[in-house]
Amino acid sequence: DVKVTQSSRYLVKRTGEKVFLECVQDMDHENMFWYRQDPGLGLRLIYFSYDVKMKEKGDIPEGYSVSREKKERFSLILESASTNQTSMYLCASSLNSGPRRGYTFGSGTRLTVV
Amino acid sequence: AQSVTQLDSHVSVSEGTPVLLRCNYSSSYSPSLFWYVQHPNKGLQLLLKYTSAATLVKGINGFEAEFKKSETSFHLTKPSAHMSDAAEYFCVVSDRGSSASKIIFGSGTRLSIRP
Repeated sequence: DVKVTQSSRYLVKRTGEKVFLECVQDMDHENMFWYRQDPGLGLRLIYFSYDVKMKEKGDIPEGYSVSREKKERFSLILESASTNQTSMYLCASSLNSGPRRGYTFGSGTRLTVV
Repeated sequence: AQSVTQLDSHVSVSEGTPVLLRCNYSSSYSPSLFWYVQHPNKGLQLLLKYTSAATLVKGINGFEAEFKKSETSFHLTKPSAHMSDAAEYFCVVSDRGSSASKIIFGSGTRLSIRP
């Protein structure tokens, strides 16, 4: 069964900490994405990557960075966590034809910044 | 430009009765359309997709959706609701041939099932 695995289900971090959220996929997908999900706002795209070492800003990149050193791994980095980054974070992956075939999502990481 | 509107933020039905979750879209080109389901504290799971083949699309768990170009709609239906259907549902649109970033999620519809 193909999978997108997010390393943590729940995280609690302090304001100002550097936070790493990890995502690994085993489907050899080219594209990987990070979304945040907030009540009433749906899913918003933070960053995506269409190849190793390549990254593109999504709709809300401020306060975040990403790293993709290997095809199967896409990391989201909160350089200095703030309380307004408390959210559910979802990683997804797709083939290059993803917009036609759909995405595969991880189970999500619920991050609380205190 | 693409957009997607889920017309109801919350739908409540009784177990065994039909389910209708409404979705309207706008797209400059021929769209691909998807429905995803998210159970509490879980990721999103693909229910079904429309990519220009048959306009009536059947998905998992007895769900189906019909693409109506004239109405720019892609409503999700199920003949008989089950308690396990309680979840959040997202309608998604993507212009065919667009880049990976041009996939748009609706704001979601929470489906509740009454015993």
